[in-house]
Amino acid sequence: GAVVSQHPSWVICKSGTSVKIECRSLDFQATTMFWYRQFPKQSLMLMATSNEGSKATYEQGVEKDKFLINHASLTLSTLTVTSAHPEDSSFYICSAAHGAGYEQYFGPGTRLTVT
Amino acid sequence: QQQVKQSPQSLIVQKGGISIINCAYENTAFDYFPWYQQFPGKGPALLIAIRPDVSEKKEGRFTISFNKSAKQFSLHIMDSQPGDSATYFCAASQHLQGGGADGLTFGKGTHLIIQP
Repeated sequence: GAVVSQHPSWVICKSGTSVKIECRSLDFQATTMFWYRQFPKQSLMLMATSNEGSKATYEQGVEKDKFLINHASLTLSTLTVTSAHPEDSSFYICSAAHGAGYEQYFGPGTRLTVT
Repeated sequence: QQQVKQSPQSLIVQKGGISIINCAYENTAFDYFPWYQQFPGKGPALLIAIRPDVSEKKEGRFTISFNKSAKQFSLHIMDSQPGDSATYFCAASQHLQGGGADGLTFGKGTHLIIQP
């Protein structure tokens, strides 16, 4: 149980284009989904928190107009990186939590490379 | 300000030995402390977690020790195996007043190598 998927697993895009990453909870309803970013050999940094049907809450320093988050249903959240630049190249990982629980279950991650 | 400090940065343990990774936190509002295991190119996987109302939790070969007064917690991996070689992250979060969990604050990670 508690399986989270991400799509795509990796993507290469040209500078200036936009990329959408999907995060799905496969066997539970995720009331809250989180988006993290991880640079090579570094830790995970929380980017934003999204609750179903509400606007996402972004961490300090994360541009909300650049990283668009939509949590349209209890099983799907999307992250769109708009006007991507090489410095946005990173490993993007989502996690999902259900109900009042503490546990977060992570997806397999999406490797974004911007050329 | 790093709210969760993790050490050591890297660790080499002989097969069958005990691997010990330590973390310290600053925010006293934290009330949930998980440990995650991550293999290269994969998302982190929840290993074990503890709440502040207990001082120790054991699941199989993995044990968390928690010291609330010192604001420290540690992961012990007993009988370490080569398959345990991975990066381990401690993390912390707090329960929100309206219910549900806040985002996780991660330590910087420990690269663990188990030598056969």
